[in-house]
Amino acid sequence: DTAVSQTPKYLVTQMGNDKSIKCEQNLGHDTMYWYKQDSKKFLKIMFSYNNKELIINETVPNRFSPKSPDKAHLNLHINSLELGDSAVYFCASSQTSGNNEQFFGPGTRLTVL
Amino acid sequence: AQKITQTQPGMFVQEKEAVTLDCTYDTSDPSYGLFWYKQPSSGEMIFLIYQGSYDQQNATEGRYSLNFQKARKSANLVISASQLGDSAMYFCAMREPYTGGFKTIFGAGTRLFVKA
Repeated sequence: DTAVSQTPKYLVTQMGNDKSIKCEQNLGHDTMYWYKQDSKKFLKIMFSYNNKELIINETVPNRFSPKSPDKAHLNLHINSLELGDSAVYFCASSQTSGNNEQFFGPGTRLTVL
Repeated sequence: AQKITQTQPGMFVQEKEAVTLDCTYDTSDPSYGLFWYKQPSSGEMIFLIYQGSYDQQNATEGRYSLNFQKARKSANLVISASQLGDSAMYFCAMREPYTGGFKTIFGAGTRLFVKA
């Protein structure tokens, strides 16, 4: 029973294409996140949704558009992919009350050729 | 300015020895949380330990303990009796209040190598 799942695990695509990554959590959490981990392993927040409402939107190109159809899902759509978008994208979820410990998905390795 | 600083890009430790991974943080908010995560070579992010800013005692979870020095704004991770499986990247993170919820910022990570 996977707590936070992401699909696909690997994504290889050409520059200029549009792609989506899906994330689902079955933990009943009210907050979900997207992080980007670059080749140097630096992990940076991109977006955060609380109860389907966008609360964090870091300085990310507007080619990246998150969408949260419900509390359990947060998808990431990327338009006009560029070489610099190559990274591992992690979805995570947490509950606002308590420690707010984040549970991470397995990551999606995106390679733009 | 860096909010989470991990000054050790890489560390070596002998199997069965203890190791301390350093983390300092910067915040003006009195309410915050500190986390450590492990990322093995397989890539997943694994939560290890949590310390709240108001917690009086240092957090412990099995072989992991967090040396919380509030006045010095440090939250070092101590791993006792290192095992080969502890070889991984370790990230320190801080959660602060943010409009509508919380924001968690990660440090650059420390890569730990455990030698047999």
